[in-house]
Amino acid sequence: QSALTQPASVSGSPGQSITISCTGTSSDVGSFNFVSWYQQHPGKAPKLMIYEGIKRPSGVSNRFSGSKSGNTASLTISGLQTEDEGDYYCCSYAGGNTLFGGGTKLSVL
Amino acid sequence: EVQLVQSGAEVKKPGESLKISCKGSGYSFKDYWIAWVRQMPGKGLEWMGIIYPGDSDTRYSPSFQGQVTISADKSINTAYLQWNSLEASDTAMYYCAGCKDATCDYWGQGTLVTVSS
Repeated sequence: QSALTQPASVSGSPGQSITISCTGTSSDVGSFNFVSWYQQHPGKAPKLMIYEGIKRPSGVSNRFSGSKSGNTASLTISGLQTEDEGDYYCCSYAGGNTLFGGGTKLSVL
Repeated sequence: EVQLVQSGAEVKKPGESLKISCKGSGYSFKDYWIAWVRQMPGKGLEWMGIIYPGDSDTRYSPSFQGQVTISADKSINTAYLQWNSLEASDTAMYYCAGCKDATCDYWGQGTLVTVSS
């Protein structure tokens, strides 16, 4: 089982919206509603931002939203802020295993 | 407050053994799966495996099966990640995470393992 595919980097200006894609297969993203997204700042542990594809944990800004279509999940961040800069990882249950994406570096210019 | 506190940084030589720990508090430890995640220097997150402390049901990622051992002692709310013979390529930050339904809500602070001769 290969890692999920994410773009290596995305960028946006403060106030803009960006979307990060996460492409898997019919054996993982396409088959289960257990896709989560994690934010990681340098030197810090990952933080859960979205779970079960579309749900937001309490305390996470409603500027973060998730969606899924077929074998691809997406994370959208609206109203970009400088504090959103960091690495983002998708993660999917794959029937007995769990896979991470390769990660996407978000730059807020 | 839910916390996962990991053991401290380790410096080891190739061929040595190592066991690192992750102690949970503030929640029912036996009811949450504990996952172990590797992050090599400058690289992304890799799922290593997961254990249910309630009954020690353990699932390994194929990439890590046979390379490490995951265990837990629910009586002291602690999970472990163990190597029998470290290699330089095991140098990484290792995170434990508390997970339910493939969602990892809680993360430890990480344990840096350095393997060097």
